[in-house]
Amino acid sequence: DVKVTQSSRYLVKRTGEKVFLECVQDMDHENMFWYRQDPGLGLRLIYFSYDVKMKEKGDIPEGYSVSREKKERFSLILESASTNQTSMYLCASSSTGGATYEQYFGPGTRLTVT
Amino acid sequence: AQTVTQSQPEMSVQEAETVTLSCTYDTSESDYYLFWYKQPPSRQMILVIRQEAYKQQNATENRFSVNFQKAAKSFSLKISDSQLGDAAMYFCAYRRAQGAQKLVFGQGTRLTINP
Repeated sequence: DVKVTQSSRYLVKRTGEKVFLECVQDMDHENMFWYRQDPGLGLRLIYFSYDVKMKEKGDIPEGYSVSREKKERFSLILESASTNQTSMYLCASSSTGGATYEQYFGPGTRLTVT
Repeated sequence: AQTVTQSQPEMSVQEAETVTLSCTYDTSESDYYLFWYKQPPSRQMILVIRQEAYKQQNATENRFSVNFQKAAKSFSLKISDSQLGDAAMYFCAYRRAQGAQKLVFGQGTRLTINP
């Protein structure tokens, strides 16, 4: 089974701190994604990557950056956390080939910025 | 830009009954994929069912089926014989067939199963 893991389930940070959210997948997927989930808004794409060292902005990239140095790992970075970045963050991965084009999700990190 | 709309923030159904969750989308593309994802409380999001736009036949997975109306840009999910384990947030999602594999999600519908 595909496994996508995220470094923390819950995280509390202070305003202005630099925050790293880590995501690891074990299925050699080319594509990895970071979403933000907020009530009433669904999931919104922050960044995605289709290869090592490659990244593309999603719909809400402001205030975030990403890093993908290895194929299995995709990091989301909040350079200076703000209270409006309090949210649930979901990582996902998918294969470019294959018939299903399914995205596999991690358990999520609930980030609170105080 | 593509958009996905779920107009029912919450739905409830009696155990063993049938419920239908609605989803509409907007796109100028002719080839795309539509998905329903399930997010149980405190658990990971999983794929429930997928529909390719070029297929006229509605997808079915056990108790889950869709009603795909391409002209109306509608993609509803029907859950038959509802079970307590079906309680979850359900998200409708869209993906272009070509190009980037990013998903566009609806707002979600919280489904409650009443015993």
